[in-house]
Amino acid sequence: DAGITQSPRHKVTETGTPVTLRCHQTENHRYMYWYRQDPGHGLRLIHYSYGVKDTDKGEVSDGYSVSRSKTEDFLLTLESATSSQTSVYFCAIRPGSTGELFFGEGSRLTVL
Amino acid sequence: KQEVTQIPAALSVPEGENLVLNCSFTDSAIYNLQWFRQDPGKGLTSLLLIQSSQREQTSGRLNASLDKSSGRSTLYIAASQPGDSATYLCAVFNSNSGYALNFGKGTSLLVTP
Repeated sequence: DAGITQSPRHKVTETGTPVTLRCHQTENHRYMYWYRQDPGHGLRLIHYSYGVKDTDKGEVSDGYSVSRSKTEDFLLTLESATSSQTSVYFCAIRPGSTGELFFGEGSRLTVL
Repeated sequence: KQEVTQIPAALSVPEGENLVLNCSFTDSAIYNLQWFRQDPGKGLTSLLLIQSSQREQTSGRLNASLDKSSGRSTLYIAASQPGDSATYLCAVFNSNSGYALNFGKGTSLLVTP
Protein backbone atom coordinates (compact mmCIF):
# COMPACT_ATOMS: atom_id res chain seq x y z
CA ASP A 1 0.00 0.00 0.00
CA ALA A 2 1.62 3.23 -1.21
CA GLY A 3 -0.57 5.36 1.06
CA ILE A 4 -2.29 7.33 -1.70
CA THR A 5 -5.96 8.22 -1.57
CA GLN A 6 -7.84 9.88 -4.40
CA SER A 7 -11.24 11.53 -4.01
CA PRO A 8 -13.79 11.43 -5.36
CA ARG A 9 -13.37 8.06 -7.06
CA HIS A 10 -16.25 8.73 -9.42
CA LYS A 11 -17.86 11.98 -10.49
CA VAL A 12 -20.37 13.01 -13.12
CA THR A 13 -20.68 16.70 -13.86
CA GLU A 14 -21.95 19.06 -16.51
CA THR A 15 -20.01 21.13 -18.99
CA GLY A 16 -18.93 24.46 -17.57
CA THR A 17 -18.92 23.48 -13.92
CA PRO A 18 -15.76 23.57 -11.78
CA VAL A 19 -14.35 20.30 -10.51
CA THR A 20 -11.62 19.58 -7.98
CA LEU A 21 -9.94 16.23 -7.53
CA ARG A 22 -7.90 15.53 -4.44
CA CYS A 23 -4.85 13.38 -3.95
CA HIS A 24 -3.77 12.66 -0.41
CA GLN A 25 -0.61 10.89 0.71
CA THR A 26 0.04 9.58 4.20
CA GLU A 27 3.78 10.26 4.08
CA ASN A 28 5.69 13.45 3.32
CA HIS A 29 7.00 12.66 -0.13
CA ARG A 30 8.15 15.64 -2.09
CA TYR A 31 7.11 14.69 -5.61
CA MET A 32 3.48 14.24 -6.62
CA TYR A 33 1.96 13.90 -10.09
CA TRP A 34 -1.38 14.06 -11.88
CA TYR A 35 -1.90 11.95 -15.01
CA ARG A 36 -4.91 11.32 -17.18
CA GLN A 37 -5.56 8.04 -18.99
CA ASP A 38 -7.54 7.86 -22.20
CA PRO A 39 -8.05 5.06 -24.74
CA GLY A 40 -5.57 5.38 -27.57
CA HIS A 41 -3.41 7.87 -25.67
CA GLY A 42 -2.20 6.01 -22.65
CA LEU A 43 -1.18 7.96 -19.58
CA ARG A 44 -0.22 11.60 -20.03
CA LEU A 45 1.22 13.97 -17.46
CA ILE A 46 -0.97 16.97 -16.55
CA HIS A 47 0.92 18.68 -13.74
CA TYR A 48 3.44 17.76 -11.11
CA SER A 49 4.68 19.16 -7.82
CA TYR A 50 8.11 19.07 -6.25
CA GLY A 51 7.17 20.65 -2.94
CA VAL A 52 4.68 22.87 -1.15
CA LYS A 53 3.64 25.65 -3.53
CA ASP A 54 6.09 24.30 -6.15
CA THR A 55 4.30 23.03 -9.23
CA ASP A 56 4.90 22.84 -12.95
CA LYS A 57 3.10 21.91 -16.14
CA GLY A 58 3.16 18.61 -17.92
CA GLU A 59 2.30 17.53 -21.43
CA VAL A 60 -1.47 18.22 -21.30
CA SER A 61 -1.91 21.05 -18.80
CA ASP A 62 -4.32 23.28 -20.73
CA GLY A 63 -7.63 23.63 -18.86
CA TYR A 64 -6.18 22.39 -15.58
CA SER A 65 -4.68 24.06 -12.53
CA VAL A 66 -3.14 22.56 -9.42
CA SER A 67 -2.37 23.58 -5.89
CA ARG A 68 -0.26 22.18 -3.12
CA SER A 69 -0.62 24.09 0.13
CA LYS A 70 0.32 21.09 2.29
CA THR A 71 2.84 18.35 1.62
CA GLU A 72 0.24 15.63 1.84
CA ASP A 73 -2.38 17.09 -0.52
CA PHE A 74 -2.20 17.80 -4.24
CA LEU A 75 -5.35 19.21 -5.80
CA LEU A 76 -6.28 19.19 -9.47
CA THR A 77 -8.89 21.72 -10.58
CA LEU A 78 -10.84 21.96 -13.79
CA GLU A 79 -12.06 25.55 -13.72
CA SER A 80 -14.75 24.95 -16.35
CA ALA A 81 -15.09 21.29 -17.26
CA THR A 82 -15.44 20.28 -20.90
CA SER A 83 -16.43 16.95 -22.45
CA SER A 84 -12.85 16.46 -23.63
CA GLN A 85 -11.83 16.25 -19.97
CA THR A 86 -13.86 13.10 -19.48
CA SER A 87 -11.14 10.70 -18.41
CA VAL A 88 -9.64 8.65 -15.62
CA TYR A 89 -7.28 10.72 -13.50
CA PHE A 90 -4.42 9.14 -11.60
CA CYS A 91 -2.29 10.62 -8.88
CA ALA A 92 1.22 9.32 -8.26
CA ILE A 93 3.99 9.84 -5.74
CA ARG A 94 7.74 9.32 -5.92
CA PRO A 95 8.93 8.27 -2.49
CA GLY A 96 12.66 7.89 -2.91
CA SER A 97 15.77 8.45 -4.93
CA THR A 98 15.28 5.36 -7.12
CA GLY A 99 12.66 7.18 -9.17
CA GLU A 100 10.01 4.52 -8.69
CA LEU A 101 6.46 5.89 -8.94
CA PHE A 102 3.41 4.58 -7.11
CA PHE A 103 -0.12 5.30 -8.24
CA GLY A 104 -3.49 5.80 -6.63
CA GLU A 105 -6.62 3.94 -7.65
CA GLY A 106 -7.82 6.66 -9.99
CA SER A 107 -10.75 9.08 -10.24
CA ARG A 108 -13.19 8.54 -13.07
CA LEU A 109 -14.65 11.85 -14.28
CA THR A 110 -17.50 12.12 -16.75
CA VAL A 111 -18.38 15.54 -18.16
CA LEU A 112 -21.79 15.63 -19.84
CA LYS B 1 10.42 14.29 -26.92
CA GLN B 2 10.69 10.79 -25.56
CA GLU B 3 8.43 8.33 -27.36
CA VAL B 4 7.67 4.96 -25.80
CA THR B 5 6.24 2.17 -27.94
CA GLN B 6 4.92 -1.20 -26.83
CA ILE B 7 4.49 -4.15 -29.14
CA PRO B 8 2.25 -6.04 -29.47
CA ALA B 9 -0.80 -3.98 -28.46
CA ALA B 10 -2.64 -7.17 -27.56
CA LEU B 11 -1.62 -10.76 -26.98
CA SER B 12 -3.52 -13.95 -26.27
CA VAL B 13 -1.71 -17.09 -25.12
CA PRO B 14 -2.69 -20.42 -23.59
CA GLU B 15 -1.89 -21.03 -19.96
CA GLY B 16 1.62 -22.27 -19.28
CA GLU B 17 3.35 -20.49 -22.12
CA ASN B 18 6.39 -18.29 -21.61
CA LEU B 19 5.95 -14.90 -23.22
CA VAL B 20 7.81 -11.69 -23.96
CA LEU B 21 6.43 -8.16 -24.02
CA ASN B 22 8.43 -5.51 -25.82
CA CYS B 23 9.05 -1.85 -25.08
CA SER B 24 11.13 0.61 -27.09
CA PHE B 25 12.04 4.22 -26.44
CA THR B 26 13.56 6.90 -28.65
CA ASP B 27 15.90 8.71 -26.23
CA SER B 28 18.44 6.41 -24.65
CA ALA B 29 19.42 8.98 -21.99
CA ILE B 30 17.03 7.57 -19.43
CA TYR B 31 17.32 7.49 -15.65
CA ASN B 32 15.35 4.27 -15.23
CA LEU B 33 12.54 2.18 -16.69
CA GLN B 34 9.50 0.86 -14.85
CA TRP B 35 7.04 -1.90 -15.73
CA PHE B 36 3.47 -1.77 -14.41
CA ARG B 37 0.45 -3.99 -14.42
CA GLN B 38 -3.08 -2.58 -14.68
CA ASP B 39 -6.22 -4.60 -14.13
CA PRO B 40 -9.48 -3.32 -15.69
CA GLY B 41 -10.87 -0.36 -13.78
CA LYS B 42 -7.94 -0.35 -11.37
CA GLY B 43 -4.82 1.65 -10.73
CA LEU B 44 -1.28 0.81 -11.76
CA THR B 45 0.76 -1.72 -9.82
CA SER B 46 4.52 -1.40 -10.04
CA LEU B 47 6.13 -4.68 -11.11
CA LEU B 48 9.78 -3.96 -11.73
CA LEU B 49 12.11 -0.99 -11.76
CA ILE B 50 15.36 -1.11 -13.71
CA GLN B 51 17.96 1.58 -13.14
CA SER B 52 19.89 2.83 -16.17
CA SER B 53 23.03 1.12 -14.88
CA GLN B 54 21.33 -2.28 -14.63
CA ARG B 55 20.70 -4.86 -17.34
CA GLU B 56 17.87 -6.79 -15.74
CA GLN B 57 15.62 -7.24 -12.73
CA THR B 58 13.72 -10.30 -11.59
CA SER B 59 10.68 -10.78 -9.41
CA GLY B 60 9.21 -14.27 -9.19
CA ARG B 61 8.12 -15.36 -12.67
CA LEU B 62 8.88 -11.92 -14.10
CA ASN B 63 12.17 -10.82 -15.61
CA ALA B 64 12.73 -7.41 -17.16
CA SER B 65 15.77 -6.54 -19.24
CA LEU B 66 17.11 -3.19 -20.38
CA ASP B 67 19.34 -2.35 -23.34
CA LYS B 68 19.82 1.39 -23.23
CA SER B 69 22.00 1.61 -26.32
CA SER B 70 19.32 0.09 -28.52
CA GLY B 71 16.43 1.75 -26.66
CA ARG B 72 14.72 -1.50 -25.74
CA SER B 73 13.31 -3.34 -22.76
CA THR B 74 11.56 -6.67 -22.54
CA LEU B 75 9.32 -8.16 -19.87
CA TYR B 76 9.51 -11.93 -19.75
CA ILE B 77 6.70 -13.83 -18.03
CA ALA B 78 7.39 -17.47 -17.33
CA ALA B 79 4.73 -20.17 -17.13
CA SER B 80 1.84 -17.77 -17.69
CA GLN B 81 -1.37 -18.13 -15.68
CA PRO B 82 -4.91 -16.81 -16.22
CA GLY B 83 -4.30 -14.46 -13.30
CA ASP B 84 -1.60 -12.75 -15.35
CA SER B 85 -4.29 -11.38 -17.67
CA ALA B 86 -4.02 -7.60 -17.50
CA THR B 87 -2.55 -4.64 -19.34
CA TYR B 88 1.20 -4.24 -18.96
CA LEU B 89 2.65 -0.75 -19.22
CA CYS B 90 6.23 0.31 -19.77
CA ALA B 91 7.36 3.76 -18.64
CA VAL B 92 10.62 5.64 -18.94
CA PHE B 93 11.88 8.06 -16.35
CA ASN B 94 13.48 11.21 -17.70
CA SER B 95 15.34 13.88 -15.81
CA ASN B 96 13.18 16.67 -17.22
CA SER B 97 9.45 17.25 -16.46
CA GLY B 98 10.01 16.84 -12.74
CA TYR B 99 11.32 13.32 -13.19
CA ALA B 100 7.94 12.17 -14.42
CA LEU B 101 7.37 8.96 -16.32
CA ASN B 102 6.64 8.78 -20.05
CA PHE B 103 4.34 5.85 -20.75
CA GLY B 104 3.79 3.47 -23.61
CA LYS B 105 0.20 2.61 -24.49
CA GLY B 106 0.47 -0.86 -23.06
CA THR B 107 0.10 -4.48 -24.07
CA SER B 108 -3.20 -6.13 -23.22
CA LEU B 109 -2.51 -9.73 -22.24
CA LEU B 110 -5.07 -12.52 -22.10
CA VAL B 111 -4.01 -15.91 -20.75
CA THR B 112 -6.60 -18.57 -21.52
CA PRO B 113 -7.07 -21.71 -19.40
